[in-house]
Amino acid sequence: DSGVTQTPKHLITATGQRVTLRCSPRSGDLSVYWYQQSLDQGLQFLIQYYNGEERAKGNILERFSAQQFPDLHSELNLSSLELGDSALYFCASSVRDIPDRELFFGEGSRLTVL
Amino acid sequence: AQTVTQSQPEMSVQEAETVTLSCTYDTSESNYYLFWYKQPPSRQMILVIRQEAYKQQNATENRFSVNFQKAAKSFSLKISDSQLGDTAMYFCAFMKHIQGAQKLVFGQGTRLTINP
Repeated sequence: DSGVTQTPKHLITATGQRVTLRCSPRSGDLSVYWYQQSLDQGLQFLIQYYNGEERAKGNILERFSAQQFPDLHSELNLSSLELGDSALYFCASSVRDIPDRELFFGEGSRLTVL
Repeated sequence: AQTVTQSQPEMSVQEAETVTLSCTYDTSESNYYLFWYKQPPSRQMILVIRQEAYKQQNATENRFSVNFQKAAKSFSLKISDSQLGDTAMYFCAFMKHIQGAQKLVFGQGTRLTINP
């Protein structure tokens, strides 16, 4: 158990819908990272937050947004969903804002868009 | 542009054998960090080993070791005395600077199967 909690574990929805994925980092970790894992794109970095502020942005679509709350949990919002958004979404956390040490990953949220 | 390349999509070895997974990366930086992560069927990503580029000595963690060739930008993972529990996807990752921040970039992964 990495200490990172992601909910829901599985989610099935339809195209055009909106979903929210939630992540609770390890106790004491200030940095949260979101990654998307799909079969054809591999693991893609989406966005990073550190202590409530956006720190780095990767290949995140405009239809997607995220935030980190004062209690350090984070949410990834996916809207106007398309079939291609079906993927495993990972949250990871670390103590610092630089991922030079270990990132602790959650078990992921598997999103299926029908 | 692809920053991290794993040229072996799949590999398969017998239990107790030694296997080496390849990884190359592209960077103009002199100081950076490299990682190998393991993703078993449970799908959780687990850190296997970490290497700091300024350290010449290759990192070792029990049965896992790396061959870090900085000039060649190569970072291979060697698994000795392989076990059934080593069956997993293995991802090489590189920490890079982007837009004033640092992010971890993963390769496409190598699916490793250990056969009994």
